[in-house]
Amino acid sequence: SYELTQPPSVSVSPGQTARITCSGDALPKQSAYWYQQKTGQAPVLIIYKDTERPSGIPERISGSSSGTIVTLTISGVQAEDEADYYCQSTDSSGSYWVFGGGTKLTVL
Amino acid sequence: QVQLVQSGAEVKKPGASVKVSCKASGYTFTNYYIHWLRQSPGQGLEWMAIINPSGGSTRYAQKFQGRVAMTRDTSTSTVYMDLSSLRSEDTAVYYCARGGTSGFDFWGQGTLVTVSS
Repeated sequence: SYELTQPPSVSVSPGQTARITCSGDALPKQSAYWYQQKTGQAPVLIIYKDTERPSGIPERISGSSSGTIVTLTISGVQAEDEADYYCQSTDSSGSYWVFGGGTKLTVL
Repeated sequence: QVQLVQSGAEVKKPGASVKVSCKASGYTFTNYYIHWLRQSPGQGLEWMAIINPSGGSTRYAQKFQGRVAMTRDTSTSTVYMDLSSLRSEDTAVYYCARGGTSGFDFWGQGTLVTVSS
C-alpha cells in the first residue's frame, strides 16, 4: 500500500524556521495537503494543493513541492506552533487517501 | 458557517458494532464528499472511507473492507459510519471530515469509541 514518510520530530527555537518534509512516490502526480493538530483537538487544514493557504492561515506558513518531496515551512516559529503536523495525499490513481505518520514540532 | 457535529462517545464490547453519525450544516450537503478517519491513542491519522452524499456511492480503505459501511440521509444532512466486529485495536477517536479538491477543510469534533470487555 502507498505510504507517505515524515520525520517523527522537528525542534526549533522561537523565531527560527521549521521545515517538515514528506516523501511519497506519487507526489509528483498527486497534490499534497498539510494539517496541524494540537493536543486534544481535531486537525486543521493549513496547506492545500501543495502550496495554497486557506483563509485565516498566516503567511509565515507555506508549502512547496519538488519531485517526490513536499515541504511545510513555518517561518518565525512561535510557541503556538507547537503541534503535530500531518501531510496527506492520495495514491497514484487518486482513489485512496493516505496520511504521513506525523511530525511533532517542538518549540524549544 | 460550516459545521460537522458528531454523535457522542461509545463503549462497546469486542465483537459488537458501532454506528457514529455526522450531521452537516452551513452548506449544500450534496455538493461535498464526506470522509471518515480515525486516530488511535497516541497514533497518527488513518483514512477509512468516503461517501458521495449526492448518489450515496462509497469507497473503503482495503483494511476496513467488509467491516465498515457508510450511509447518508439527505433529509437530515447526516452521514453514518457503521463499524462491525469490533476489537480492542478499534479503540480510537473517529472523525468525519468534508472533502474536496481543497482537502479536508472542515472536521467534526471527533467521537471516542472504546472497545473493551
